[in-house]
Amino acid sequence: QLQLVESGGGVVQPGRSLRLSCAVSGFTFSTYAMHWVRQAPGKGLEWVAMIWYDGTNEYYADSVKGRFTISRDNSKNTLFLQMNSLRAEDTAVYYCARDTSNTWSSRLDYWGQGTLVTVSS
Amino acid sequence: DIQMTQSPSSLSASVGDRVTITCRASQSIAGYLSWFAQKPGKAPKLLIYATATLQTGVPSRFSGSGSGTDFTLTISNLQPEDFATYYCQHTYSTPPYTFGQGTKLEI
Repeated sequence: QLQLVESGGGVVQPGRSLRLSCAVSGFTFSTYAMHWVRQAPGKGLEWVAMIWYDGTNEYYADSVKGRFTISRDNSKNTLFLQMNSLRAEDTAVYYCARDTSNTWSSRLDYWGQGTLVTVSS
Repeated sequence: DIQMTQSPSSLSASVGDRVTITCRASQSIAGYLSWFAQKPGKAPKLLIYATATLQTGVPSRFSGSGSGTDFTLTISNLQPEDFATYYCQHTYSTPPYTFGQGTKLEI
């Protein structure tokens, strides 16, 4: 069945980097746009980034622009989020989510279980 | 950027009640509005998309309506499993695809 499994979270010091992965199975990954969404402890959902099905276009929230990079490896059915210059306010559970569209978003229909990133000294 | 404002932020109700949650966009989003439910420690679950289309497997007691900038999620005959936090999200045009701040539905 369809699965999205995030990994790579952990505790990291401010200013350092971390790379999240989202391994997918059960659908043709290369034909879907993908998103990262995060949720700080006790807070609401925040859209973080999106990448088109072929990786040709990426979009970011202002809060992460210039620090985070979304990418994908369609040959390995894996989505990535490279997070640099991490700040305390980046502490959150990070979810990957599938879009039903291959380019501009339509709806986020399947989500992973999330991976926790804690930025702390 | 389009801002999404939900109300109320929290809501108390009983099993069997009918409740309505409102989501307002800062500009017209042409019906590109989704609703999600999230339970503690779990990923969000898509309930409704394109304002009023029920995601496969979602019970018919959930319904959505609206147009332009104003949208509502209605849950009829509340069931114990419906107590959760609900979020709206727009997917209109270009990113960022903002979420509302959430509505916590409590017993």
